[in-house]
Amino acid sequence: DSGVTQTPKHLITATGQRVTLRCSPRSGDLSVYWYQQSLDQGLQFLIQYYNGEERAKGNILERFSAQQFPDLHSELNLSSLELGDSALYFCASSVGSGGTGGTIYFGEGSWLTVV
Amino acid sequence: GDSVTQMEGPVTLSEEAFLTINCTYTATGYPSLFWYVQYPGEGLQLLLKATKADDKGSNKGFEATYRKETTSFHLEKGSVQVSDSAVYFCALSDRGRNQFYFGTGTSLTVIP
Repeated sequence: DSGVTQTPKHLITATGQRVTLRCSPRSGDLSVYWYQQSLDQGLQFLIQYYNGEERAKGNILERFSAQQFPDLHSELNLSSLELGDSALYFCASSVGSGGTGGTIYFGEGSWLTVV
Repeated sequence: GDSVTQMEGPVTLSEEAFLTINCTYTATGYPSLFWYVQYPGEGLQLLLKATKADDKGSNKGFEATYRKETTSFHLEKGSVQVSDSAVYFCALSDRGRNQFYFGTGTSLTVIP
């Protein structure tokens, strides 16, 4: 158990809909990262927050957004869903901002299926 | 920019065979290097790490040495087991840019 909690574990929704994925980082970790893992594109970095502020942005679509709340949990919002958004979405956390060379810890992921 | 390149899979080995999964990196600074493992249906778990040149990370019989001169961090295990079947990701943490970079992953299947 990494200490990173993600909900829901599985989600099935229709095209055009909006979903929210939630992540609670490990106790004491200030950074939260979101990744998308699909069969054809591997592990793609989406976005990182550090202590409530956006720190780095990767291949995140404009239809997707995220935020980190004062209690450090984070939510990833996916809207106008398309079939191609079906993937495993991982949250990860680390103590520092990522620039210290430290380790990041992954949650078990949220499986999103768009039908 | 910074990046990680790892060998293509899938890799299939017989039990007790020797394993090498190649990983090379490009980085402008002095990154930390990691190997993560993803077992079927699970998230990524840290397998081992090295934070500076010539460091050797090791865990569960796996080893990798941070080679600055060849910009490599190859994963090795002397005798694989069926339970090692998983996807292995090489990664680097760029101290200057606050980002982690992952390779594409290498799927390993060990057959009895």
